[in-house]
Amino acid sequence: GESVGLHLPTLSVQEGDNSIINCAYSNSASDYFIWYKQESGKGPQFIIDIRSNMDKRQGQRVTVLLNKTVKHLSLQIAATQPGDSAVYFCAENGGSQGNLIFGKGTKLSVKP
Amino acid sequence: GAVVSQHPSRVICKSGTSVKIECRSLDFQATTMFWYRQFPKKSLMLMATSNEGSKATYEQGVEKDKFLINHASLTLSTLTVTSAHPEDSSFYICSAPNFAQGVNKETQYFGPGTRLLVL
Repeated sequence: GESVGLHLPTLSVQEGDNSIINCAYSNSASDYFIWYKQESGKGPQFIIDIRSNMDKRQGQRVTVLLNKTVKHLSLQIAATQPGDSAVYFCAENGGSQGNLIFGKGTKLSVKP
Repeated sequence: GAVVSQHPSRVICKSGTSVKIECRSLDFQATTMFWYRQFPKKSLMLMATSNEGSKATYEQGVEKDKFLINHASLTLSTLTVTSAHPEDSSFYICSAPNFAQGVNKETQYFGPGTRLLVL
């Protein structure tokens, strides 16, 4: 999960296990949410998105859950692989310029 | 999918010099582009919104005279860090939505980022 602090929250999982990454978003008016994966030294890569009229959406090995009541998003990764190691950011479309607002990020480390 | 490129991928410069970073949308037109800055182990923070044909909109606390933005065409935005100082060292990332018909305009496509190191 996330915390206010100087260091990126870290989630360490064993290869093959399922991972759950959590995110609290800020703007109750946001109606579109995206999960991004960012590998070291690279730009964010789109993983999956969800609109506020849904509470769950599945992709290949990934599932996003949305709880609007508590402004909470989660990303579930099934059968986590070493290639999934990265920092994961949630983003919401509540920016005043049409920009995305990013969450603090969670570093996922997968142990072989 | 839509592709966004950035150039250069990394740059090292001396304090006091200016550095230009280019952001290009390769297979779609981007009337709007966003410039983010990311410090180590931190999230992406929006610096400014680049608009083709009009002035950029800067976020609070971002000096427009220091970070010059020019949206030169429908596929190119440039960010110039003027009189760079060591505290400007960061990872600069651009993104663009695709407003083409039938495309989700809210999905942002990110460039690979530019690592700036000011000595």
